[in-house]
Amino acid sequence: EAGVTQSPTHLIKTRGQQATLRCSPISGHTSVYWYQQALGLGLQFLLWYDEGEERNRGNFPPRFSGRQFPNYSSELNVNALELEDSALYLCASSLGGAGVDYGYTFGSGTRLTVV
Amino acid sequence: GENVEQHPSTLSVQEGDSAVIKCTYSDSASNYFPWYKQELGKRPQLIIDIRSNVGEKKDQRIAVTLNKTAKHFSLHITETQPEDSAVYFCAARSPRGAGTALIFGKGTTLSVSS
Repeated sequence: EAGVTQSPTHLIKTRGQQATLRCSPISGHTSVYWYQQALGLGLQFLLWYDEGEERNRGNFPPRFSGRQFPNYSSELNVNALELEDSALYLCASSLGGAGVDYGYTFGSGTRLTVV
Repeated sequence: GENVEQHPSTLSVQEGDSAVIKCTYSDSASNYFPWYKQELGKRPQLIIDIRSNVGEKKDQRIAVTLNKTAKHFSLHITETQPEDSAVYFCAARSPRGAGTALIFGKGTTLSVSS
């Protein structure tokens, strides 16, 4: 069974540009979560999608957005990139949605560098 | 919203010793508490989890305890080995409203020296 896959592995962008990160969940998983892992800050929650809808978002500005497609894959868009957006962006997937507690399976992440 | 505090941020032990990592959470409604291990350059992986209707759970050398009254939970690793060296993250999830995603602590870097 394929795990959670993320692309690209690395992404270098210039300040002010837009970045698009992609995630394919494990087959059968309907929930996709996005986290930002910056040095020393742990895993900060960005967005949660389930069944094509945004269920919850963390304390990030609106320039962080995304969507989930009918096949449950997801993309994260970051507009007007700032230097402090440089981080590892992790996607995770799980079974079910609200009210269901399952562990997450993480992808290997996309390393975004803003110069 | 939920907030998770984790300590210590770094922990160094000798091989064979025990290691304890503690976390506190803010939302009394939170009911799911997993622990993840992230080795250098790798993705976080679930190592154990506990739900609010259970006070303790063990899996070989790893155990997790939960104190709902005090709103804290802990990870215990016994007979530590060098391969236990990694960053460990605790997390909590609240079912309030539509439910929330897991909120993570800032992580504990565990170093086990032989």
